[in-house]
Amino acid sequence: QLQLQESGPGLVKPSETLSLTCTVSGGSISSSSYYWGWIRQPPGKGLEWIGSIYYSGSTYYNPSLKSRVTISVDTSKNQFSLKLSSVTAADTAVYYCARLRTTIFGVVIIPIDIDYWGQGTLVTVSS
Amino acid sequence: DIVMTQTPLSSPVTLGQPASISCRSSQSLVHSDGNTYLSWLQQRPGQPPRLLIYKISNRFSGVPDRFSGSGAGTDFTLKISRVEAEDVGVYYCTQATQFPWTFGQGTKVEIK
Repeated sequence: QLQLQESGPGLVKPSETLSLTCTVSGGSISSSSYYWGWIRQPPGKGLEWIGSIYYSGSTYYNPSLKSRVTISVDTSKNQFSLKLSSVTAADTAVYYCARLRTTIFGVVIIPIDIDYWGQGTLVTVSS
Repeated sequence: DIVMTQTPLSSPVTLGQPASISCRSSQSLVHSDGNTYLSWLQQRPGQPPRLLIYKISNRFSGVPDRFSGSGAGTDFTLKISRVEAEDVGVYYCTQATQFPWTFGQGTKVEIK
């Protein structure tokens, strides 16, 4: 059974970089059928898509965060990671990693929905 | 960005009665490949979201058949035929037709 587990510091200081890792078990991150992504949810609020990555390294980012976000993949460890720089209190949220199903559009593989979510990890930005 | 607007934001329902949630997008969700990538998610209290419905009307594996989705273009609906206690939570529509993916504000389903 597929499992995704987020890990990383629960407290980050303003202006610093938030770093999270998602470890995938029960499946291969190198599967050609899936993208892998990050979504966040501020406490008591709705969902915001951050970005996604294919095992080859191809990425899609939310333009609202693109200047501060880097998503990377480590196929040898079956992990993918999120870095968000210059954080403020507005970045306080539960961060979820997820698996994204895909389809082929022409010659491009694109993600189309999220079929599995991690449990999420709360990251608080505070001094 | 495509704006997803859900109504109502809160839906008190009697056990065994139906519930309906509407989701409207600011532009058509029909992708260039002809598919419509509109999904519905359920988030129970204290839990991550989970996929209920994909491509408007397809139930994900393990989802009870009391959940159904319908719609086209910019207007979509999630229906629960008979609400059970385990259905309490927040429901989100989401679109993956155009980047960035966006979500509705969420509709809270609670028992009267």
